[in-house]
Amino acid sequence: AQKITQTQPGMFVQEKEAVTLDCTYDTSDQSYGLFWYKQPSSGEMIFLIYQGSYDEQNATEGRYSLNFQKARKSANLVISASQLGDSAMYFCAMRDAGNMLTFGGGTRLMVKP
Amino acid sequence: GAGVSQSPSNKVTEKGKDVELRCDPISGHTALYWYRQSLGQGLEFLIYFQGNSAPDKSGLPSDRFSAERTGGSVSTLTIQRTQQEDSAVYLCASSRTVSYNEQFFGPGTRLTVL
Repeated sequence: AQKITQTQPGMFVQEKEAVTLDCTYDTSDQSYGLFWYKQPSSGEMIFLIYQGSYDEQNATEGRYSLNFQKARKSANLVISASQLGDSAMYFCAMRDAGNMLTFGGGTRLMVKP
Repeated sequence: GAGVSQSPSNKVTEKGKDVELRCDPISGHTALYWYRQSLGQGLEFLIYFQGNSAPDKSGLPSDRFSAERTGGSVSTLTIQRTQQEDSAVYLCASSRTVSYNEQFFGPGTRLTVL
């Protein structure tokens, strides 16, 4: 069964607008972590933000915030004030009992000037 | 160096040959992971090492794949008798410990099997 699902293969957003990238997950573990990574065309994987399953507050890191809805098993990434440099692939990932990261299929975000 | 390094950055090989991919983790990081990213796909876990513990090999796709980590630092991923479906970018990541939140990724090795 798919553990991480990203339903948006591609997204467009106008520069300076906010955008939400969807991620749903499936686990029976009580303790787990959710991650978002950015992969620009250069190929490097850049860590953006982390949310622990027991964290009561939604994680925020600068222009990135994670909309964590535990009951719905969703962990959407919100990017505020999009910039041209935000154009990249974005991957949602989960670490549960297995300790390794399980990744979704990714969303390609394109920021329009 | 400050980050995770991998070599070679690109490798082209013929079907049936063996290849070795190298990963140098961040100094002091005890956990090391290998992932594979096929064209247009997400990342697939292969194997991870934590300190001197036995590695978790649950993600290795076949017995042609193996990895070792010498002295708790450098790791080598070996693919024997390469097949065209092995063509992918192989990414290495390290973290302070296996339970630490952030995994730092290297630039990857792009493997092409002709």
